[in-house]
Amino acid sequence: GAVVSQHPSRVICKSGTSVKIECRSLDFQATTMFWYRQFPKQSLMLMATSNEGSKATYEQGVEKDKFLINHASLTLSTLTVTSAHPEDSSFYICSARYLAGGTDTQYFGPGTRLTVL
Amino acid sequence: GENVEQHPSTLSVQEGDSAVIKCTYSDSASNYFPWYKQELGKRPQLIIDIRSNVGEKKDQRIAVTLNKTAKHFSLHITETQPEDSAVYFCAVRAGQAGTALIFGKGTTLSVSS
Repeated sequence: GAVVSQHPSRVICKSGTSVKIECRSLDFQATTMFWYRQFPKQSLMLMATSNEGSKATYEQGVEKDKFLINHASLTLSTLTVTSAHPEDSSFYICSARYLAGGTDTQYFGPGTRLTVL
Repeated sequence: GENVEQHPSTLSVQEGDSAVIKCTYSDSASNYFPWYKQELGKRPQLIIDIRSNVGEKKDQRIAVTLNKTAKHFSLHITETQPEDSAVYFCAVRAGQAGTALIFGKGTTLSVSS
């Protein structure tokens, strides 16, 4: 159990376009999902916390109008990178909060590699 | 906010040796401390975790110890194997359940045979 999927796994887009990334919890419901960004050989940097049915909470320095997050259901959160630029190229990873049998942890999706030309 | 320091940044060991990675944190309210293993281009995989009411936890060759007073926790891998080679991240959750994890900068472990 506790499988998280992401789609697409890779995307290449032109500068100025928007890209949507989906994060799904496949076999459990996740009231909370998280979005991270990881640059090469670096750690995971939290971008925002996504709560089902409410507005996302963004970390300092992350533009909410540029990185739109929607958590419309208990199994799906989406991240839209609007007007993407080359500096937005990165590995975007989501995680979902997993609650079961006294466990409260997070499982990660496989990540989406975004390349902006 | 929470600050997580992880050391060393790189670690090279011979197969069969032990490896130890240490993390320190700043927020005494932190209550959950997982460790993740990430292979190149893949997702972080939870390998072990510990909560603030426990001092040590072991799962086969992997163990984690927590010193709440000193605010540090360590990952111990015994009898290392080449397939243990990866980047390991410690993480800390401060505050109430459901809040995000804050990650250390990672340790690149290389196990040579």
